[in-house]
Amino acid sequence: ELHLLESGGGLVQPGGSLRLSCAASQFIHNYDMTWARQAPGKGLEYVSSISATGQFSFYAGSVKGRFAISRDNSKNTLYLHMNSVRADDTAVYYCAAKTGDYFDYWGQGTLVTVSS
Amino acid sequence: QAGLTQPPSVSEALRQTATLTCTGNSNNVGHLGAAWLQQHQGHPPKLLSYRSNNRPSGISERLSASRSGNTASLTITGLQPEDEADYYCSAWDSSLRAWVFGGGTKLTVL
Repeated sequence: ELHLLESGGGLVQPGGSLRLSCAASQFIHNYDMTWARQAPGKGLEYVSSISATGQFSFYAGSVKGRFAISRDNSKNTLYLHMNSVRADDTAVYYCAAKTGDYFDYWGQGTLVTVSS
Repeated sequence: QAGLTQPPSVSEALRQTATLTCTGNSNNVGHLGAAWLQQHQGHPPKLLSYRSNNRPSGISERLSASRSGNTASLTITGLQPEDEADYYCSAWDSSLRAWVFGGGTKLTVL
């Protein structure tokens, strides 16, 4: 079974940068991947997704131009590069893999807190 | 960014049936259907169904999903205490070129 483990979360100042990683327990080169987030006490919010080869990437309007998704299939790892972070980026960030028609494997999440 | 519409809360009695709804438009739910996820407090989301009524292995047969036009539904029969959770719908939006989520429905089993 595929396991995903996010890392890289923590406290970051407004306007700062952070890189999240999502390490997979097995090959992910055939799977689209995504990042979603959940602010404290709030619902799920789509952040970004990337095709299996990395050729295509998509972003929510709220992060477009500030965040960048990437992947290194040789390392079975997904990344989220977060720039110009704001207080409303504070959330638990989840990565997920789409092995079928939807994202069916999810990590445990990593908390990002944006505060001065 | 426009999302999908779900009622904030639904309450039903133990062993009864609950139906959760998710309303979108022709660019998302009405296009390719919706997926449903369950989330218990403090845990990551878990996929329950996709393309409106395909269940991953291990998901209870008490759950069934359907779609009518731009509205998707998740029906849970024989409610159990462990069904008490937050439920989210999600779909690909071909206009936004992004996945969208509903706001979530908190299901309470009385």
